[in-house]
Amino acid sequence: RKEVEQDPGPFNVPEGATVAFNCTYSNSASQSFFWYRQDCRKEPKLLMSVYSSGNEDGRFTAQLNRASQYISLLIRDSKLSDSATYLCVVLTGTASKLTFGTGTRLQVTL
Amino acid sequence: NAGVTQTPKFQVLKTGQSMTLQCAQDMNHEYMSWYRQDPGMGLRLIHYSVGAGITDQGEVPNGYNVSRSTTEDFPLRLLSAAPSQTSVYFCASRRQGANQPQHFGDGTRLSIL
Repeated sequence: RKEVEQDPGPFNVPEGATVAFNCTYSNSASQSFFWYRQDCRKEPKLLMSVYSSGNEDGRFTAQLNRASQYISLLIRDSKLSDSATYLCVVLTGTASKLTFGTGTRLQVTL
Repeated sequence: NAGVTQTPKFQVLKTGQSMTLQCAQDMNHEYMSWYRQDPGMGLRLIHYSVGAGITDQGEVPNGYNVSRSTTEDFPLRLLSAAPSQTSVYFCASRRQGANQPQHFGDGTRLSIL
């Protein structure tokens, strides 16, 4: 089983739609969780950290369920500019080692 | 505010050649890492460092060497390039601490013929 698993998609949604991505992780000792965004042929960039109580940043909401070992990202009112690959990232063990999921591709269309 | 700087951005090598990918960060981050990204595989950790003079292997270290003589620099060396090393390489840095995010360079697109 992979350490971090994501549905690769693609998710094709119309502008204005709400879309949710899930990510599961295998190590119950994982400490920190992040969502990154990666545009085609660009470097990954931090979208948001994920906190145990859940957190929101504008149209984006992240949730963590430690009991079930999954993380979710909800995007409301999708924009064309949200089209990208979303990477789930988990910090486990030594503080220097982050494990990346393979990413979920989102395509927002008119 | 340069952040993480990688050079070169593109490189084509012949099988058997060696080269060094450069990475520098100006944020005084303790941790630095090298990843490769291949289609369908996601980002895989090659080597990482928790501070000057300290390096360790990641998930896919074979065929690569690193050194960390200063906090700022973390070069990645390909000893004898192979076609399987054709990939996009990202260098990253972060502060020590569990909730510190990773900052990435722009990437190096490497092709081995």
